[in-house]
Amino acid sequence: GAVVSQHPSWVICKSGTSVKIECRSLDFQATTMFWYRQFPKQSLMLMATSNEGSKATYEQGVEKDKFLINHASLTLSTLTVTSAHPEDSSFYICSARGRGGVLNEQFFGPGTRLTVL
Amino acid sequence: QQQVKQSPQSLIVQKGGISIINCAYENTAFDYFPWYQQFPGKGPALLIAIRPDVSEKKEGRFTISFNKSAKQFSLHIMDSQPGDSATYFCAASARGGAQKLVFGQGTRLTINP
Repeated sequence: GAVVSQHPSWVICKSGTSVKIECRSLDFQATTMFWYRQFPKQSLMLMATSNEGSKATYEQGVEKDKFLINHASLTLSTLTVTSAHPEDSSFYICSARGRGGVLNEQFFGPGTRLTVL
Repeated sequence: QQQVKQSPQSLIVQKGGISIINCAYENTAFDYFPWYQQFPGKGPALLIAIRPDVSEKKEGRFTISFNKSAKQFSLHIMDSQPGDSATYFCAASARGGAQKLVFGQGTRLTINP
């Protein structure tokens, strides 16, 4: 149980275009979802936290108009990178947390590799 | 005060040996300390976690040791195997994990056959 999926697993896009990444909790209801960014050989950097039905809370230094997060249902959150540039190329990872017991833990998705040309 | 400091940055251990990774924190509000294992190109996976009411937790070959007074915790991997070669991250959170996770910098572990 507690499986989180991401789609796509990798994407290549041209500079200036927008890219949407989906994060789904497959077998539990995720009251909270988190989006991280990870550069090569570095740790995970939290970008934002989103609770179902409410606006995301962004970490300091993360542009909310550039990284649009929508948590429309208890099983789906999306991250849209708007007007992507090469410096946005990174590994984007989501995690999901349910409510109560072991589901208080964060379960991570497999990640999405974004390359902006 | 929100930082979690992890060491070493990289570690090479012979097959069958013990791998030890250390983490230290400052925020006394932290009360949930998980360890994650990440393989290249994959998301991190929860390996084992501990809460401060115990000083040690063991699951198979993996053991967390926790020293509340020193604000330190460590991961021990017994009988290390080549398949354990991965990057390991410690993390900490408050309110039993309800708050956001603060990650350490990561340790790249290589187990030589």
